[in-house]
Amino acid sequence: ETGVTQSPTHLIKTRGQQVTLRCSSQSGHNTVSWYQQALGQGPQFIFQYYREEENGRGNFPPRFSGLQFPNYSSELNVNALELDDSALYLCASSRDRVNSPLHFGNGTRLTVT
Amino acid sequence: ELKVEQNPLFLSMQEGKNYTIYCNYSTTSDRLYWYRQDPGKSLESLFVLLSNGAVKQEGRLMASLDTKARLSTLHITAAVHDLSATYFCAVPNSGYALNFGKGTSLLVTP
Repeated sequence: ETGVTQSPTHLIKTRGQQVTLRCSSQSGHNTVSWYQQALGQGPQFIFQYYREEENGRGNFPPRFSGLQFPNYSSELNVNALELDDSALYLCASSRDRVNSPLHFGNGTRLTVT
Repeated sequence: ELKVEQNPLFLSMQEGKNYTIYCNYSTTSDRLYWYRQDPGKSLESLFVLLSNGAVKQEGRLMASLDTKARLSTLHITAAVHDLSATYFCAVPNSGYALNFGKGTSLLVTP
C-alpha cells in the first residue's frame, strides 16, 4: 500500500511569485486535505477536496486554491506569495470526507524570501 | 470558534519519570486525535479516541478522553529518550477539518 507522497520536499520562492505543490493520496482514499504548519505551531486547515470538488475551507484567502484530479491526487496553488506563507505544507488523505482518520504526507517546506 | 489548548507547551523530563499532557477543547466533540511529530517530519497518528471514557495505550503512552469535561490526557510512563518529539491533539471541526493544538514539545533527558 502506497502512502501519501508530496512533491517537492523543499522549495524557495520570492515574494510575489506563484507556487504549486503536489500530493498523491494513499491507495483507496478519495479525499485530500491540505494543512499549513508555521514554525512552532500546530497545523492549520486550508481546504479539503472530495471527488474533485472543494468540500470545505479554512480561514485562508482566495490566493490559496486547489485542485483534485480523477485519480484523487491534488495540487495546492498559492499566488502572490507573501513572507508569512513560509511554512510546512502538509497533505493528508482519507477514505472519506467526514470523520475518517487522516494519513499525512511528509510535507513540502516552502520558504518565501 | 473551536479552540484547542494544550499544556504544557514545553516539557523537559528525566528518563524514567511519569508525566501528563493535557488537551482542552472549547466545543462539543465525541472524538479526539493524538499525533506525534519529530523535527522536520510529518505527523504520525498515535491514538484515535472515539467516545467518552475511551482509553487507549501503546507502549509507554496512554491517552484518555472525557467528552463532558472536554478534556483529553496523554500520560507518559517511565519516559525514554525515544519519546522526545512534539505531541499534538486535534479535534474535528465541521466534520471535515481538524483543529490542532499548538503542540507540546517534549524533551526526555538522561
